[in-house]
Amino acid sequence: GQNIDQPTEMTATEGAIVQINCTYQTSGFNGLFWYQQHAGEAPTFLSYNVLDGLEEKGRFSSFLSRSKGYSYLLLKELQMKDSASYLCAVTRNDYKLSFGAGTTVTVRA
Amino acid sequence: DSGVTQTPKHLITATGQRVTLRCSPRSGDLSVYWYQQSLDQGLQFLIQYYNGEERAKGNILERFSAQQFPDLHSELNLSSLELGDSALYFCASSATTGGSRNTGELFFGEGSRLTVL
Repeated sequence: GQNIDQPTEMTATEGAIVQINCTYQTSGFNGLFWYQQHAGEAPTFLSYNVLDGLEEKGRFSSFLSRSKGYSYLLLKELQMKDSASYLCAVTRNDYKLSFGAGTTVTVRA
Repeated sequence: DSGVTQTPKHLITATGQRVTLRCSPRSGDLSVYWYQQSLDQGLQFLIQYYNGEERAKGNILERFSAQQFPDLHSELNLSSLELGDSALYFCASSATTGGSRNTGELFFGEGSRLTVL
């Protein structure tokens, strides 16, 4: 089995920075995804980390520490449209891809 | 548009009934995943197919079954429906190659919203 934990909710102000943490416990870890999901819509890909370190893509960055079972997604220069659920997902060597419950981020003006 | 097509978009049925949800993956993608998302809950992995073969199974109920056809489209069959089966069912596809254990980016369809009354 596996556990994927992330905070339920976070609130931040427009223009600010928010960091969403994800911890996981799993056997056969292969990689970690971050997806964004607006209410009632399909999840969309943000990032994929396989090796330790930071991956930067525009306003979004994702970090992975395999030894600590830890990842974070960093959202910079927050915009109102960034209000959404952010899903951490772990892939395993047996091809299973499991998602955390998601973190709902609310951006306030 | 992710390139993944799911039908129907909405479905309302009664308890005890059976429904079939259909998914057409992106052109060229061999892997298809099915997920269930209940209200205010995360995506629950149901099952994955690769090139017609079942590759991984999650918490899929025995009342549910799926298959992937030679043309790579997939169907998820839900039978003896219960109220608790009401959810958004997502299909996703990826271009995972057969020899690689790297999942690759998943592209999600818009989902099929099932309501069981």
